Amino acid sequence: EPEVTQTPSHQVTQMGQEVILRCVPISNHLYFYWYRQILGQKVEFLVSFYNNEISEKSEIFDDQFSVERPDGSNFTLKIRSTKLEDSAMYFCASSLFDSEGEQFFGPGTRLTVL
Amino acid sequence: ILNVEQSPQSLHVQEGDSTNFTCSFPSSNFYALHWYRWETAKSPEALFVMTLNGDEKKKGRISATLNTKEGYSYLYIKGSQPEDSATYLCAFDAGNNRKLIWGLGTSLAVNP
Repeated sequence: EPEVTQTPSHQVTQMGQEVILRCVPISNHLYFYWYRQILGQKVEFLVSFYNNEISEKSEIFDDQFSVERPDGSNFTLKIRSTKLEDSAMYFCASSLFDSEGEQFFGPGTRLTVL
Repeated sequence: ILNVEQSPQSLHVQEGDSTNFTCSFPSSNFYALHWYRWETAKSPEALFVMTLNGDEKKKGRISATLNTKEGYSYLYIKGSQPEDSATYLCAFDAGNNRKLIWGLGTSLAVNP
């Protein structure tokens, strides 16, 4: 069964460093998303992406964040200068164009900013 | 600010018990309500996407109902099994590019 994959599973970085979180969505999906969950808090929407551009982004997704689909396969989230409060589990998801909106999630990347 | 609430926050039941939990969401600008099952160290798994008021969906021993007028959905598990132990999350979809607003989840533990 096709699945969304994410790498790495755990990333540790120093404050101020850039990180790139990688996702490979399900191959025939057209919509892509990033969410995050800070420990003990609700899952939060970051950004949705369709047709090579951002469809919607939350107030969390400021200038420090960017997304890219560089090669038609990968979908990346970049944080330019990480802050302590960026420590969270980051989930990638994808969905079909004509589905009921069911989103398929990857296993997540745990980002720890020291 | 859109808010989604789930109750109870956690639940412990014995194997064989039936259980249910609640998701409350805004009753305006409703597009869909998603239920996910999330086991530790695994990906959240979609259970249901519900769109119509009064709708009821079923998958095996798990079913869900939807009331969009009053803004709630119930998830039922009949005859709980230890493998049902997980966090059950609901997410509200206002239709704006599939941005989901999530509840905190109900953590279910089923004791054998």
